[in-house]
Amino acid sequence: EIVLTQSPATLSLSPGERATLSCRASQSVSSYLAWFQQKPGQAPRLVIYDASNRATGIPGTFSGSGSGTDFTLTISSLEPEDFAVYYCQQRSNWPFTFGPGTKVEIK
Amino acid sequence: QVQLVESGGGVVQPGGSLRLSCAASGLTFSSYGMHWVRQAPGKGLEWMAVLSYDGSHKYYTDSVKGRFTISRDNSKNTLYLQMNSLRPEDTAVYYCASLGGYGDYGGGYWGQGTLVTVSS
Repeated sequence: EIVLTQSPATLSLSPGERATLSCRASQSVSSYLAWFQQKPGQAPRLVIYDASNRATGIPGTFSGSGSGTDFTLTISSLEPEDFAVYYCQQRSNWPFTFGPGTKVEIK
Repeated sequence: QVQLVESGGGVVQPGGSLRLSCAASGLTFSSYGMHWVRQAPGKGLEWMAVLSYDGSHKYYTDSVKGRFTISRDNSKNTLYLQMNSLRPEDTAVYYCASLGGYGDYGGGYWGQGTLVTVSS
């Protein structure tokens, strides 16, 4: 099973600041990595798929990069609605797995 | 637009059974591999099972193998999860989702979830 590790666990930032979230895989997942955003009481929402592709309706402030084992989600300028928990997920191997999440909170 | 609507959750005693449903609309359901993902209260996301678009391939995470069965009825655009021998640690919100695995990323669509509580 591929284990995904996310860092940091919590990111405390102010609106307008840049957020950089990391996801590391225990073995290569090629580019088969997605990022999901989840707000309290809501279902997850796809943000980035296949490492660097923005999902429909996701603003240009979100970008993804990486391949192999190291991936990054960057939010270039945080809006109030961006404060949430972000999960990475791999679809390279069965079973699919999720990382433990990074909480982006308001400082 | 795409809608996935889960139902069938509720309170069940340990050792009991429950069947969840996920009704899909706004997409060609028979073309999508479909997944179940759960989230225990206050915890992260746990991937549980997948069923290929035609039902020919399925895969489960170890913690539910032999207890849970994923199935689908493409004529009804519906995905199912039969859960037997339920344990307190199965308490969670259960989501159906299209997360790919059969050639593409699957669209990344999620339902709103249904809560399953296993308690005596």
